[in-house]
Amino acid sequence: DAKTTQPNSMESNEEEPVHLPCNHSTISGTDYIHWYRQLPSQGPEYVIHGLTSNVNNRMASLAIAEDRKSSTLILHRATLRDAAVYYCAPSNNAGNMLTFGGGTRLMVKP
Amino acid sequence: NAGVTQTPKFQVLKTGQSMTLQCAQDMNHEYMSWYRQDPGMGLRLIHYSVGAGITDQGEVPNGYNVSRSTTEDFPLRLLSAAPSQTSVYFCASSYWGHEGYTFGSGTRLTVV
Repeated sequence: DAKTTQPNSMESNEEEPVHLPCNHSTISGTDYIHWYRQLPSQGPEYVIHGLTSNVNNRMASLAIAEDRKSSTLILHRATLRDAAVYYCAPSNNAGNMLTFGGGTRLMVKP
Repeated sequence: NAGVTQTPKFQVLKTGQSMTLQCAQDMNHEYMSWYRQDPGMGLRLIHYSVGAGITDQGEVPNGYNVSRSTTEDFPLRLLSAAPSQTSVYFCASSYWGHEGYTFGSGTRLTVV
């Protein structure tokens, strides 16, 4: 299973872009890269996922390095509601296992 | 559309007691999983299922049993609770593993 490394915490100003990095150098060629976020006392919430190409949805963008050893979650304009712990979680080939790292606590300043 | 429903939300057990954590989803998802989250840590996979009648072990399966008799339900059984099983338990489901998973709101379990 792929192991992940993320910064423990990051800080951003409201309405500015945020780039959350994740290192997953042991990822296999067919492992998808998922991102989830978790608010206090809630379950994780799906944000985005991808395999090789960069991905965009209404919540965020996912930039995947060409060698797939790292990825970056991009929040284009951080809001106070984006303050949460963000987890990078590679899935295995079959998609039945997610491997969560320690996550990055994002703090957003008004 | 309820999503993933977990019951109970809170539970206190004595060492040695058994109990079942319930998980139900109404999205016709084939993939279901149980994770535990300990303070300050990420989630670890306990057991998972890729369809009714099919289950397998995850990273930390010892002390837990699962079964999947229907697509909707995936209960987690603690056979003989131990203090080391004090944790927050999350159930998750996905239509197909390579789509995003939907998580429940969790069960906070304390074993004394």
